[in-house]
Amino acid sequence: DIVMTQSPDSLAVSLGERATINCKSSQSVLYSSNNKNYLAWFQQKPGQPPKLLIYWASTRQSGVPDRFSGSGSGTDFTLTISSLQAEDVAVYYCQQYYSSPQNTFGQGTRLEIK
Amino acid sequence: EEQVVESGGGLVKPGGSLRLSCATSGFTFDTYNMNWVRQAPGKGLEWVSSISPSSGFIYYAESLKGRFTISRDNAKNSLYLEMTGLRAEDTAMYYCARELRVTVSGVVTEIAAFDLWGQGTMVAVSS
Repeated sequence: DIVMTQSPDSLAVSLGERATINCKSSQSVLYSSNNKNYLAWFQQKPGQPPKLLIYWASTRQSGVPDRFSGSGSGTDFTLTISSLQAEDVAVYYCQQYYSSPQNTFGQGTRLEIK
Repeated sequence: EEQVVESGGGLVKPGGSLRLSCATSGFTFDTYNMNWVRQAPGKGLEWVSSISPSSGFIYYAESLKGRFTISRDNAKNSLYLEMTGLRAEDTAMYYCARELRVTVSGVVTEIAAFDLWGQGTMVAVSS
């Protein structure tokens, strides 16, 4: 299985400041045939199901605010929230679908307001 | 409105069985790959199983060792998960999730990221 490791486990950021979450895969999730990274990011608020934010490492899902962005390639990826809003408090997960259907998720990063 | 609603969870004794259901509406169910994903209390997400539109391709997490069976009824727009030999470690919220489809340059591409989730149904395995 491809192991996904996120850092940090938790993060506290002031409102309006930038939040950065990292995700590292145990092997590359870059498909050479189409040059796409098979990596997604999800947001999960308390008591709610996960919500898809980004796929192909950097493509925002429809309706996701543009303060959310994804970057990276190969084995190292980053989710950035450019200006933290109160409603962004959540746990964030990365997921690889390179080895689909054996998809795997990171352990999650808890984002709080400082 | 696109929607998936899970049901069938509950408290079951170790070794017992349970059948989860996922009722869908608002989209062409019989054209999508569907999945079950679970989340133990306070823990992260774990993919459980997936099924193709015609049930021709079915996959399971290797850790399940044949105890779970996924199925679907396209006439009823519904997805199912039959769980047997339940263990304490199967205690989790079970989510029904649809795979994302995108159109790039006129070509529909399926992406095994999950764009539509239900609220989940809780399964607790305890004596």
